[in-house]
Amino acid sequence: QKEVEQNSGPLSVPEGAIASLNCTYSDRGSQSFFWYRQYSGKSPELIMFIYSNGDKEDGRFTAQLNKASQYVSLLIRDSQPSDSATYLCAAYRMNRDDKIIFGKGTRLHILP
Amino acid sequence: NAGVTQTPKFRILKIGQSMTLQCAQDMNHNYMYWYRQDPGMGLKLIYYSVGAGITDKGEVPNGYNVSRSTTEDFPLRLELAAPSQTSVYFCATSMGSDTEAFFGQGTRLTVV
Repeated sequence: QKEVEQNSGPLSVPEGAIASLNCTYSDRGSQSFFWYRQYSGKSPELIMFIYSNGDKEDGRFTAQLNKASQYVSLLIRDSQPSDSATYLCAAYRMNRDDKIIFGKGTRLHILP
Repeated sequence: NAGVTQTPKFRILKIGQSMTLQCAQDMNHNYMYWYRQDPGMGLKLIYYSVGAGITDKGEVPNGYNVSRSTTEDFPLRLELAAPSQTSVYFCATSMGSDTEAFFGQGTRLTVV
């Protein structure tokens, strides 16, 4: 089982709809979770981070964390063509080796 | 402030050649990382450093070496380049082990 798993996609969502990106992790000791956006040919940039169970909102983005189910998600409301990118989920595991582990990423395509 | 600067942006190496990928940061971050990203894949950690004089192996260290003589610089050395090392290499920095990582623009390396 991979440590951080994401569906590689592509996930196609109509413009204006809600895009839902999912991520599961295997290490129960993971404490912090990050969502990075990566445009084609560019470097990743941080969108959201979340430490606590529940929802965290920032503009059109909402991160959701359920530690019991070992599940993290990112919701993008009112999707725009500029949201088309690969979204990388990452988990930080302090008690194991103090590293952040990335998933493979989900390609999101917003249909105009 | 430049942030994280990687050089070169592109490089073609012949099998068996060596080279050094440069990474410099002006953010005064203690943590620095080298990742590789193969097509359609996530980021795999090669080496990381928690401060000057301290380096440690990541998930895929074989075929690479690093040094960290100053806070600002974290070069990655490839000895005896192999086709399997064809990838995009990203350098990143962070304030702490569980905080936002800032990425350089990447180095696209092809070994032929």
